[in-house]
Amino acid sequence: EDQVTQSPEALRLQEGESSSLNCSYTVSGLRGLFWYRQDPGKGPEFLFTLYSAGEEKEKERLKATLTKKESFLHITAPKPEDSATYLCAVQRNRDDKIIFGKGTRLHILP
Amino acid sequence: GAGVSQSPRYKVAKRGQDVALRCDPISGHVSLFWYQQALGQGPEFLTYFQNEAQLDKSGLPSDRFFAERPEGSVSTLKIQRTQQEDSAVYLCASSRDGRGYGYTFGSGTRLTVV
Repeated sequence: EDQVTQSPEALRLQEGESSSLNCSYTVSGLRGLFWYRQDPGKGPEFLFTLYSAGEEKEKERLKATLTKKESFLHITAPKPEDSATYLCAVQRNRDDKIIFGKGTRLHILP
Repeated sequence: GAGVSQSPRYKVAKRGQDVALRCDPISGHVSLFWYQQALGQGPEFLTYFQNEAQLDKSGLPSDRFFAERPEGSVSTLKIQRTQQEDSAVYLCASSRDGRGYGYTFGSGTRLTVV
């Protein structure tokens, strides 16, 4: 069964304290792996797509990486406005359905 | 419009009541998806349309759930005889071509069944 597991469930960091969020996945035929950000009361907002092992993408303080079994979202010197839930998701080759993990709730303390 | 619009934003239903949730996708977007998000959980796939064709409804939890997109634009998710376990946020997303990076989500409808 295709599955996405994110860890930790929640993470509290001091402003400026770098860390990484983990997403491990099992899927038959990966088309792409996605990272989304979700703020309270809002829908998920697209951050990155990764397609193949070894690929990396960066945006401001965020960098996403991909291996054959997992993806990491690295957050460098985070600010309070980076506080949100970060969702990892995979899309399969055989259809357009996206399967989400449960997310990591990130809280950056000023 | 500029984004995906969902209405109502909040709905309180008495157990057993029927509800209809509306999604206005981005103009011209071919693909439309419905997801259910329980509190503290990730979105769970419900169903998917390409234009007016419902290509996958494998995520609909029971035959009380029904979705339609008759003209290939606006979509309605209907839940009959609501139960407490139906309480969740219902998210709609649209995409120009079904590729995950092109998904734009609406803000969702929060359904509370009392």
